[in-house]
Amino acid sequence: NAGVTQTPKFQVLKTGQSMTLQCAQDMNHEYMSWYRQDPGMGLRLIHYSVGAGITDQGEVPNGYNVSRSTTEDFPLRLLSAAPSQTSVYFCASSYGNSLNTEAFFGQGTRLTVV
Amino acid sequence: AQKITQTQPGMFVQEKEAVTLDCTYDTSDPSYGLFWYKQPSSGEMIFLIYQGSYDQQNATEGRYSLNFQKARKSANLVISASQLGDSAMYFCAMREGLNTDKLIFGTGTRLQVFP
Repeated sequence: NAGVTQTPKFQVLKTGQSMTLQCAQDMNHEYMSWYRQDPGMGLRLIHYSVGAGITDQGEVPNGYNVSRSTTEDFPLRLLSAAPSQTSVYFCASSYGNSLNTEAFFGQGTRLTVV
Repeated sequence: AQKITQTQPGMFVQEKEAVTLDCTYDTSDPSYGLFWYKQPSSGEMIFLIYQGSYDQQNATEGRYSLNFQKARKSANLVISASQLGDSAMYFCAMREGLNTDKLIFGTGTRLQVFP
């Protein structure tokens, strides 16, 4: 079972470069989200999607774009990377809108912006 | 204001002993769910246990149990019979209301289990 797959696992960018973090899930989940994890701050929501074609901002959306053209994929785009975006990024998905719906997480992408 | 508060940055416990990791939350929504996740040094997020706001009983999953005190807005994780493999970061998280996948996380507690 693949679950939630994130690529790449590690990435180093120069300030101002752009890149896309990929996230794919094979569980037919409607809900997908991107979080970033910084030391001492837990995970914070960047963007989320409740279905194909629908996205919305989370707590820390600035500097990131998302789109959801298919149920399976939810890429996160950094248009012009900044050192403040150095973080570990997690993609998550879940299948329903009930309170007890467990979120499944990818393995994370460790991004360093120099 | 923080919605999820984990006041213990680090905890130590001896193998085979029980340990309680604290979590308090803040919400005005009567419908919410509380989750605990484990993050070992390898980095993945592992779901441990869930407690719903309408649940009458405390949740249990194997060695994990949740001490849910609704009036105090606390949802402490109890790990019984600690094992060396329990050494990890533990995060408390909350989902507010229906029709959302959004989770609000606490800052985590690093648990170290020693022999």
